[in-house]
Parts: sequence; C-alpha cells; structure tokens
Amino acid sequence: EAEVAQSPRYKITEKSQAVAFWCDPISGHATLYWYRQILGQGPELLVQFQDESVVDDSQLPKDRFSAERLKGVDSTLKIQPAELGDSAMYLCASSFGPHNDGYTFGSGTRLTVV
Amino acid sequence: KQEVTQIPAALSVPEGENLVLNCSFTDSAIYNLQWFRQDPGKGLTSLLLIQSSQREQTSGRLNASLDKSSGRSTLYIAASQPGDSATYLCAVRPIETSGSRLTFGEGTQLTVNP
Repeated sequence: EAEVAQSPRYKITEKSQAVAFWCDPISGHATLYWYRQILGQGPELLVQFQDESVVDDSQLPKDRFSAERLKGVDSTLKIQPAELGDSAMYLCASSFGPHNDGYTFGSGTRLTVV
Repeated sequence: KQEVTQIPAALSVPEGENLVLNCSFTDSAIYNLQWFRQDPGKGLTSLLLIQSSQREQTSGRLNASLDKSSGRSTLYIAASQPGDSATYLCAVRPIETSGSRLTFGEGTQLTVNP
C-alpha cells in the first residue's frame, strides 16, 4: 500500500537552531499538507500545496517557518530559529485532489526543542 | 469558523463491549468527514471517509454515520479488543473557496481492558 514518507522520525534541537523536515507524498497526489499537532490536541494546518503552489499558509508563522515544494513532488518544512513552543508532532499528508478525496498521513516527525 | 467537538475525551471499556464515539461540528457546509486512529507517538491512520452525500460507511467492526444537517457523526466499534486502544480523531473538510484544510476535534482516547 502506498505511503506518505517523512523523515526524520524524531528530532531534538536546541533553541535558536534551524531544523528541517522532509515529506514525500503518495505518487500522483497533487495536494500536500503540513500539519502541526501539539500533544493532546488535534492537528492544525500549517500550509497546503497544490502542485508546487501554496494554496493556504494562513496559519504558518512566516517569521520563522518556511515551506517549499519546488517540483510539485516532495516538500521541505523549515523552522529557523526554533523556539521551545515549537515542540510538537509535524505531520505531512497528501490527497489526489483538493476536494472529495480522503487524506493519507505520514508517520510524522516528533520535534523536541530544548 | 468551523469547530469540531468530540465526546467523550476519554473512554475505558472492558474487552468485547460495543461502543460509540461522538463527533459534532458547527458548520454543515462540508465535503466529507473522516475518522482517524492515532497510536501514541505515531501518525494518523485513516479509518473511514464519509462523503457529504452519504449517510454511513462500514469497514469490518467499524461503522461511521453522518448526519450533516444536525452536524453530527458517530463511530461505532463492535466487539472491542485491546488492540483498538488508541486515540480516535474526527475531522471535517469544509467547502471553502480556497484551501481544503481539515478541521480536527481533539480526539477520544480509548482504552480497551482485557
């Protein structure tokens, strides 16, 4: 069964350092999402791509977070500088289209900022 | 703004019991509703996807219903097993002009005791 690949699985970084996460969606899925999930809460959308274009980044803290999907396939989410409050699970998901399809999530990257 | 509420927040049942998890949402303008399972420290696994035109979906011991007009969905788990222990998340996909974020509830943490 096709999967959304994410790496690394775990990341520990010091405050003020830069950190990056990588996601490879299911082949053929044009829509890619990055979500952040704080412990005990539901995931919240950070950014949505349709192919290589950003569709929604209204909840992305743009002063420190950036995301790109240069060739419309895999994607990188970067945080610089990391803050203690960024400790969370970062989940990538993809779907074939933006409307009636279900999402498939990756296994996530657990970030701890110390 | 769409809000999703899941009740109860936590549930503990003996093995073999049938159980119902509840999800309510405030805006009925949705494309679909999806139920996910999340094991501790892991990503989300899709369980059932219900399109807005459907009333229910079934997969094995799981049955999910959708009453869009009243803003409610239920996830029914028959003959629960210890392996069903996890957090169950409900998410709706709103009809928006841009973006297609999922709005999640905070989940129901289920424990099935042997």
